[in-house]
Amino acid sequence: QKEVEQDPGPLSVPEGAIVSLNCTYSNSAFQYFMWYRQYSRKGPELLMYTYSSGNKEDGRFTAQVDKSSKYISLFIRDSQPSDSATYLCAMSDAGGTSYGKLTFGQGTILTVHP
Amino acid sequence: KAGVTQTPRYLIKTRGQQVTLSCSPISGHRSVSWYQQTPGQGLQFLFEYFSETQRNKGNFPGRFSGRQFSNSRSEMNVSTLELGDSALYLCASSTGMNTEAFFGQGTRLTVV
Repeated sequence: QKEVEQDPGPLSVPEGAIVSLNCTYSNSAFQYFMWYRQYSRKGPELLMYTYSSGNKEDGRFTAQVDKSSKYISLFIRDSQPSDSATYLCAMSDAGGTSYGKLTFGQGTILTVHP
Repeated sequence: KAGVTQTPRYLIKTRGQQVTLSCSPISGHRSVSWYQQTPGQGLQFLFEYFSETQRNKGNFPGRFSGRQFSNSRSEMNVSTLELGDSALYLCASSTGMNTEAFFGQGTRLTVV
């Protein structure tokens, strides 16, 4: 079983829709949670970073963390065609033997059509 | 401020050769992590350097090695290349203190 599970999709939505992307994890040591967006042939771009349970909002993006259920989500409001990309969740623990190591989900391919 | 710079962007190598990839982190960042990204395995952690010391290493063979210089720039070396080493190699820069990690554009390595 992978430490981080992410539905690979693909996910196709109309412009303006609310998108929900999700990851579950099994390692209770994970304390830091990130969402990245990756366009084809580019490096991952950091969208959200959070380390506490609850919601964090940044523009059209909301990251939600539920440590008790080991479940994180990213919501995209008013989705745009430019949001079409692969979305990756990533997480890490608090250091020790895991310095600098992010564990990634497989990524969800999102297409927003006009 | 300048982002993470990886060079070269593309490389084609022959089986058995070796290759060196370079990563310049964001100014002030002392941690550089390296990842391999393939369609089948996704993003997998190779190793992390902080202030010229390797602090962490993933499950890759010894053919994969790295180093970090005093200016925090890092290099990754792969010796005796195999076809399966074809991948996008990404480096990530951070302060090293459980903060956000920022990625470069990657080096796409093709082994023929």
